Amino acid sequence: EDQVTQSPEALRLQEGESSSLNCSYTVSGLRGLFWYRQDPGKGPEFLFTLYSAGEEKEKERLKATLTKKESFLHITAPKPEDSATYLCAVQTDLMDSNYQLIWGAGTKLIIKP
Amino acid sequence: NAGVTQTPKFRVLKTGQSMTLLCAQDMNHEYMYWYRQDPGMGLRLIHYSVGEGTTAKGEVPDGYNVSRLKKQNFLLGLESAAPSQTSVYFCASSYRGAGNQPQHFGDGTRLSIL
Repeated sequence: EDQVTQSPEALRLQEGESSSLNCSYTVSGLRGLFWYRQDPGKGPEFLFTLYSAGEEKEKERLKATLTKKESFLHITAPKPEDSATYLCAVQTDLMDSNYQLIWGAGTKLIIKP
Repeated sequence: NAGVTQTPKFRVLKTGQSMTLLCAQDMNHEYMYWYRQDPGMGLRLIHYSVGEGTTAKGEVPDGYNVSRLKKQNFLLGLESAAPSQTSVYFCASSYRGAGNQPQHFGDGTRLSIL
């Protein structure tokens, strides 16, 4: 069964303390992996799409990387405004690109000043 | 820039009552989606639409109906609400399919069924 697992469920960091969030997937064949950010009381907001192992994308303090089994969202010198829940979603080769994604449950990131 | 707008933002219903959630987008997107988000779970797709006048079932369609009479609007209906439908409902839209382009989400409707 295709599955997406995010870890940890929650992560508390001090401002400036770098770390990584993990999205591991067990799927038949990866077509694309998506990262979204979700603020409390808001809908998810798109961050990155990764398509193949070895690919990397960067945006401000965030960098997303992809291997054949997992993706990491690295956060460098985070600020309190980076606090949010980060969601990962996967599309596989067998899926209809019109709608089918498998979503992880998310990692809640808290950055303390 | 309004983007995707959902109404209402909050609602409390009694078991057996019906209601309609409204989603409106101003980006001229073809594709629209309804998701539910429950604690400890990933987003789950309820229904989706690939264009005006079309609808299709997603992963968890039971107990819900949808309509897309106008391109910019996507309605989600609960005919007879059940406590298991207590959730946060998100509408999203995209120019092409979810696997091809980022989705734009509304801010959600928080629905409680007593």
